[in-house]
Amino acid sequence: AQRVTQPEKLLSVFKGAPVELKCNYSYSGSPELFWYVQYSRQRLQLLLRHISRESIKGFTADLNKGETSFHLKKPFAQEEDSAMYYCAFKGWGGSQGNLIFGKGTKLSVKP
Amino acid sequence: GAVVSQHPSRVICKSGTSVKIECRSLDFQATTMFWYRQFPKQSLMLMATSNEGSKATYEQGVEKDKFLINHASLTLSTLTVTSAHPEDSSFYICSAPGGAGTGTSGGGETQYFGPGTRLLVL
Repeated sequence: AQRVTQPEKLLSVFKGAPVELKCNYSYSGSPELFWYVQYSRQRLQLLLRHISRESIKGFTADLNKGETSFHLKKPFAQEEDSAMYYCAFKGWGGSQGNLIFGKGTKLSVKP
Repeated sequence: GAVVSQHPSRVICKSGTSVKIECRSLDFQATTMFWYRQFPKQSLMLMATSNEGSKATYEQGVEKDKFLINHASLTLSTLTVTSAHPEDSSFYICSAPGGAGTGTSGGGETQYFGPGTRLLVL
């Protein structure tokens, strides 16, 4: 079954500390993975996608097929990074193109 | 950039009534839209895929007759919760993909999300 797992419900770090939000997926083929972010009182928005290999707001995520992981990292967290982060997987089959979301990790960056 | 709006943002209704939620793509066309629901402290769960000009595709376990979806135009999809009950209380979110032919700058894998509609059934 296609599944995305985010093991941490809450991650709390101090400003300037490194951050890693974990994401593991289960899929036998070549996955398309994304990270979405939801700031307080705002809508979900795309943070980054693995095919772009980009760095957005200092965040990067590398697809590791061997470990079936797509962890989100930032070397120095900022207070404005506090938000809900969702790892998402593009599903195929009956609902082609839809996203399958993990349960999300709440990142709290303390001053 | 591409924006998806939802209306209403919040609705409270009595048990047994029907509630319609609108999802609109602003400044771009969406032949497909996705409807999700999110229970407190849980992830987004796909309910159905709305297809312009054809029937919606429902996920397993989602009642078609309860959650009516109409994708009447390239910019509007509606979700009607019929005979709502307290267990239908949830946060409903729609999204529309970008990509070729939509008029957006994002690729087909980019999803633009609405702000969500919070439904409370008393």
